[in-house]
Amino acid sequence: QLLLQESGPGLVKPSETLSLTCNVSGFPISTGYYWGWMRQPPGKGLEWIGSLYYNAQIFYSPSLKSRLTLSVDASKNLFFLTLNSVTAADTARYYCARGFDGYNYNFWGPGTLVAVSS
Amino acid sequence: DIQMTQSPSSVSASVGEGVTITCRASEDINNWVAWYQQKPGQAPKLLISGASSLQPGVPSSFSGSGSGTEFALIISNLQPEDFATYYCQQTHSFPLTFGGGTKVEIK
Repeated sequence: QLLLQESGPGLVKPSETLSLTCNVSGFPISTGYYWGWMRQPPGKGLEWIGSLYYNAQIFYSPSLKSRLTLSVDASKNLFFLTLNSVTAADTARYYCARGFDGYNYNFWGPGTLVAVSS
Repeated sequence: DIQMTQSPSSVSASVGEGVTITCRASEDINNWVAWYQQKPGQAPKLLISGASSLQPGVPSSFSGSGSGTEFALIISNLQPEDFATYYCQQTHSFPLTFGGGTKVEIK
């Protein structure tokens, strides 16, 4: 059974770096599929952050690209999000998900809430 | 970027009734649309891909239609568990973009 679980700091100070981990169980990341990150500010809609395919393509949201890095540790079946120079606008629940074609995401983690505040 | 304009932002309906949610793309995206359901405190759930293909386990009371720039999610015979927020998403190209959401509330 495929399970995804996000983990992160919960609270980050403005201008600092946000680092999140998605722990995947039940399916090797290196086998295939696309792995993505989405976020949702409190009370608002969904925003796509970026997606990657192991050892191949990485796609970033243009609005975040200058601050964003997505990466994978296939040996530990983890993938990561790093977002630099955060502001209050980055406060959101962050979700990791698996997509069957890079565009449609049918398995999601429960999300982790990140607040940016001093 | 492709903009997805979803309407209405909220709708009230009774159990047993039907609702239609529409989504308009800012350019022709063929049938590359997905629909998600999100309940409070939960992650989104993929209901429909390719504008009209139901995901496994999704009740047949859900259906999707449309192509080009106009799309619809139709929920017939609303059940208590269907009251949620629904999002469209274009699956045509990166960057992926979502509609603003439609909250389906109990009348």
